[in-house]
Amino acid sequence: QVQLVQSGAEVKRPGASVKVSCKTSGYTFSSYYIHWVRQAPGQGLEWMGRINPNSGGTNYHRKFQGRVTMTSDTSITTAYLELTRLRSNDTAVYYCARTWREVPASTNWFDPWGQGTLVTVSS
Amino acid sequence: QSVLTQPPSVSGAPGQRVTISCTGSSSNIGAGHDVHWYQQLPGTAPKLLIYGNINRPSGVPDRFSGSKSGTSASLAITGLRAEDEADYYCQTYDDSPNDYYVFGSGTKVTVL
Repeated sequence: QVQLVQSGAEVKRPGASVKVSCKTSGYTFSSYYIHWVRQAPGQGLEWMGRINPNSGGTNYHRKFQGRVTMTSDTSITTAYLELTRLRSNDTAVYYCARTWREVPASTNWFDPWGQGTLVTVSS
Repeated sequence: QSVLTQPPSVSGAPGQRVTISCTGSSSNIGAGHDVHWYQQLPGTAPKLLIYGNINRPSGVPDRFSGSKSGTSASLAITGLRAEDEADYYCQTYDDSPNDYYVFGSGTKVTVL
């Protein structure tokens, strides 16, 4: 079955960086985009960006431009999210999720999702 | 502030029907983009509930149904059950420069 398994919780100081991994299995890694979505405590879902594992091409939400880097390693079917210059309001659960590359973005949905990684930014 | 507006909460007794609205604009739902719905049980990741406006993935009960009209979409839950108590989010795509994928503000469903 399709699975997205994320790395464990992280605690970081303000100004530091964090790198979260998303290990996938059960499908052809290169055929799906991997997206990153975050959820601050008690808040809604916020799309951060996506990576095309086939090409390495990325699209980032303008809010995170300059601070976010998404990468992937096709040899181990794993995607990564790195967020730099962390601040307290980056405290959130970060999710990875996939969408099918063969359909237009305007029709695409996220399924399945990883279990989430809590990143806490605190001094 | 979310691009898509949902009511913060809805509630109903077991067996009743509740609906959740998702209001967008001409750059997203009104542009003809599909709407999808997710259920998030407490402490868990979101789970796909409805895709392509009206379609249920395998395993989702037919008590859940979706619809879309104009710049809005709706999720209906009939025969409400205790296990339906969760947060629900709509999602679509936005044509505004660099906005891409957008989510609703989320609705908490409470079973009385």
